[in-house]
Amino acid sequence: RKEVEQDPGPFNVPEGATVAFNCTYSNSASQSFFWYRQDCRKEPKLLMSVYSSGNEDGRFTAQLNRASQYISLLIRDSKLSDSATYLCVVSSGSARQLTFGSGTQLTV
Amino acid sequence: ETGVTQSPTHLIKTRGQQVTLRCSSQSGHNTVSWYQQALGQGPQFIFQYYREEENGRGNFPPRFSGLQFPNYSSELNVNALELDDSALYLCASSSDSYTEAFFGQGTRLTVV
Repeated sequence: RKEVEQDPGPFNVPEGATVAFNCTYSNSASQSFFWYRQDCRKEPKLLMSVYSSGNEDGRFTAQLNRASQYISLLIRDSKLSDSATYLCVVSSGSARQLTFGSGTQLTV
Repeated sequence: ETGVTQSPTHLIKTRGQQVTLRCSSQSGHNTVSWYQQALGQGPQFIFQYYREEENGRGNFPPRFSGLQFPNYSSELNVNALELDDSALYLCASSSDSYTEAFFGQGTRLTVV
């Protein structure tokens, strides 16, 4: 079983749509949680950190449920520029190394 | 731009050869982590260097080794290259393990 599992995708949505990505992680000792965005053949870039209280950044809302070991990302009013691969990421270990899911491809 | 630079950007090597990839960390960052990203997969943690010492290692064989220099730049060395080593190698730097890591553009390695 992978440490971080994401919806396989791909997601193809029209502009203006709302899309939700889900992710589960297996290491209950994970310390920090993130969503990264990766454009084709580019490096991953931090989209947002995820907190237990939930957090919002413009059209993006992230939620964390530590009890269920579940992370989500909601994108409202999708734009063409949102097309990318979204990576669910958890941080753990003494080095706080990042463990990435396989990513979910979104095409708007 | 993140200020993290990697070289070379692309590389083709033959199975069995050795390769060295380089990373210059962002100014003020003393922690460098290396990741391998195979096609269609998320990046996988190889190892991390903090102030010139290895600070953590993922599930990679000993033929993957690294160095960090006094200026905090870093090298990733891979010996006895295998076809499965073909991937995008990403370097990420941060001011310590607890702060945001910024990724370089990566080195795309092809082993033939």
